[in-house]
Amino acid sequence: DAGVIQSPRHEVTEMGQEVTLRCKPISGHNSLFWYRQTMMRGLELLIYFNNNVPIDDSGMPEDRFSAKMPNASFSTLKIQPSEPRDSAVYFCASSLRGPCSGNTIYFGEGSWLTVV
Amino acid sequence: AQSVTQLGSHVSVSEGALVLLRCNYSSSVPPYLFWYVQYPNQGLQLLLKYTTGATLVKGINGFEAEFKKSETSFHLTKPSAHMSDAAEYFCAVSDNQGGKLIFGQGTELSVKP
Repeated sequence: DAGVIQSPRHEVTEMGQEVTLRCKPISGHNSLFWYRQTMMRGLELLIYFNNNVPIDDSGMPEDRFSAKMPNASFSTLKIQPSEPRDSAVYFCASSLRGPCSGNTIYFGEGSWLTVV
Repeated sequence: AQSVTQLGSHVSVSEGALVLLRCNYSSSVPPYLFWYVQYPNQGLQLLLKYTTGATLVKGINGFEAEFKKSETSFHLTKPSAHMSDAAEYFCAVSDNQGGKLIFGQGTELSVKP
């Protein structure tokens, strides 16, 4: 079974450039999450969607960050303009949200972003 | 608000020794608790989870964890460490609303030969 698929796996970009990270959740899952991992701050939830609708974006750092989920099988996280402090690993994850919210969240392999 | 505290950012054990990684949580509602493992340059993989029922939960690779409500703890253990267990381990609590996970800061496990 295909897991959560993220692209690109690695990206190096110059400060000021636009960065778009992509995610394909596991088929049938209706919740999607974007996390960011850094040494200083650990794993932070940026935003999550239920049934393609953003539910909580309180973790989005600032207006430079935006996320969309146009359909159940695709999501993007965009940073414009990018800054060196955005360098991190960005994880996409998905789950099947049912009556029991203890459902397992499955993570992709991550997108390693370096902004120089 | 929910939170997770992992005691010890780095734990080192000898091969064959007991592994104990500590996790305490704070939650205003009955929690769902998780342990994930992250190997270098990889994503997070679920080790085990507690939702309801038996408080001793067994997971993959010989790991287990016990939910202790009175101590608000969910410590991860393994009787005998292998070199392949070297990784970073994350404890997490679910918010019981949208199913999002709140993670602890992680504990890096080193295994010495």
